[in-house]
Amino acid sequence: EAGVAQSPRYKIIEKRQSVAFWCNPISGHATLYWYQQILGQGPKLLIQFQNNGVVDDSQLPKDRFSAERLKGVDSTLKIQPAKLEDSAVYLCASSLQGALYGYTFGSGTRLTVV
Amino acid sequence: AQSVTQPDIHITVSEGASLELRCNYSYGATPYLFWYVQSPGQGLQLLLKYFSGDTLVQGIKGFEAEFKRSQSSFNLRKPSVHWSDAAEYFCAVGSTGNQFYFGTGTSLTVIP
Repeated sequence: EAGVAQSPRYKIIEKRQSVAFWCNPISGHATLYWYQQILGQGPKLLIQFQNNGVVDDSQLPKDRFSAERLKGVDSTLKIQPAKLEDSAVYLCASSLQGALYGYTFGSGTRLTVV
Repeated sequence: AQSVTQPDIHITVSEGASLELRCNYSYGATPYLFWYVQSPGQGLQLLLKYFSGDTLVQGIKGFEAEFKRSQSSFNLRKPSVHWSDAAEYFCAVGSTGNQFYFGTGTSLTVIP
């Protein structure tokens, strides 16, 4: 089966600019997650979707980050405006029946804010 | 609240030597435990997982892990390390709410 697709792979922007990342999960996976992985740290959950509904966005900086999954399939994560500390790899993952069965991760988008 | 601790930031082993990566968790109920591996520039790949039952679980690439409730540990082991095992390893704990918490990772270097 095809894996979790993410684009772009790399992005460099200036601070205060906006950026968007796209994720297409494995077909049929109802649960989709966005993680932020800062260099030298473990991934941190930003938001969790179940179909097109948000399950957990408690760690999403809502003043600048937003995410949507309008049709319950692919998802977009946006940052506006970006700060230097947003430099990280943004990982998308999907799961058929939730975290208990493990996730399948995409390769991530590496964001550098200068 | 759930948390995961990986006390070793970096480990170096010789090729062919045995490996043990430590993981300690904090969770109020029976945890769901995972080990993931991340090669440079790649996403995370699931090595193995523990839900219940036999406390020694086998994974891919010759890895195994043992769940020890009394020690709140889920250490990853491999009897003979290959150069291709050099990567970042993450332990994670999952909750019944489908939330997932990662440790800070252990970087493995394999020397010839």
